Amino acid sequence: AQSVTQLGSHVSVSEGALVLLRCNYSSSVPPYLFWYVQYPNQGLQLLLKYTSAATLVKGINGFEAEFKKSETSFHLTKPSAHMSDAAEYFCAVSKPSYGKLTFGQGTILTVHP
Amino acid sequence: NAGVTQTPKFRVLKTGQSMTLLCAQDMNHEYMYWYRQDPGMGLRLIHYSVGEGTTAKGEVPDGYNVSRLKKQNFLLGLESAAPSQTSVYFCASREDRGHGETQYFGPGTRLLVL
Repeated sequence: AQSVTQLGSHVSVSEGALVLLRCNYSSSVPPYLFWYVQYPNQGLQLLLKYTSAATLVKGINGFEAEFKKSETSFHLTKPSAHMSDAAEYFCAVSKPSYGKLTFGQGTILTVHP
Repeated sequence: NAGVTQTPKFRVLKTGQSMTLLCAQDMNHEYMYWYRQDPGMGLRLIHYSVGEGTTAKGEVPDGYNVSRLKKQNFLLGLESAAPSQTSVYFCASREDRGHGETQYFGPGTRLLVL
């Protein structure tokens, strides 16, 4: 069975500071992992995904994530936060059965000036 | 190319009323999904479809029905709405090329059941 845990429902950083959003997964098969971002009153947009190629995945808007099998983690990072990064972020794992996504609970990122 | 669209954007229902949410995609995707989003719970899968004329239950299907009569459309129905169905509903679609394919999401429908 696949599951995802996001540590921290709210993360607050200052503009220019490092962003670190944590995601741990559980999967009985080699996982495909996704990070999505949701801006207020909008749908979900793909930031990046891991599909067993490179373990360090680069996404849009300067975000990247590293797949660590030994730690069952797929944490999302960005070196320098921008005000426009304020949003809710979701980690998800894809099930082999028809690609159904199991989402984490979400992390709301607040960026202070 | 509009991607995934959803109608309506917002709706208020009284308990016991029925309604249908429409999802349309213009990317010729085989797979379509309906999710609900509730605070602190992420998104949970209601129903999904792997092709025209097919539907299957997801994680939280009770109280909902779906139909996929045309490949581009996926309808979600509430026969008798309950306050517990107050939520934001998202539709998504993707290609049929393995479970690493990206799901593309619509803008959502906010439903309030009084």
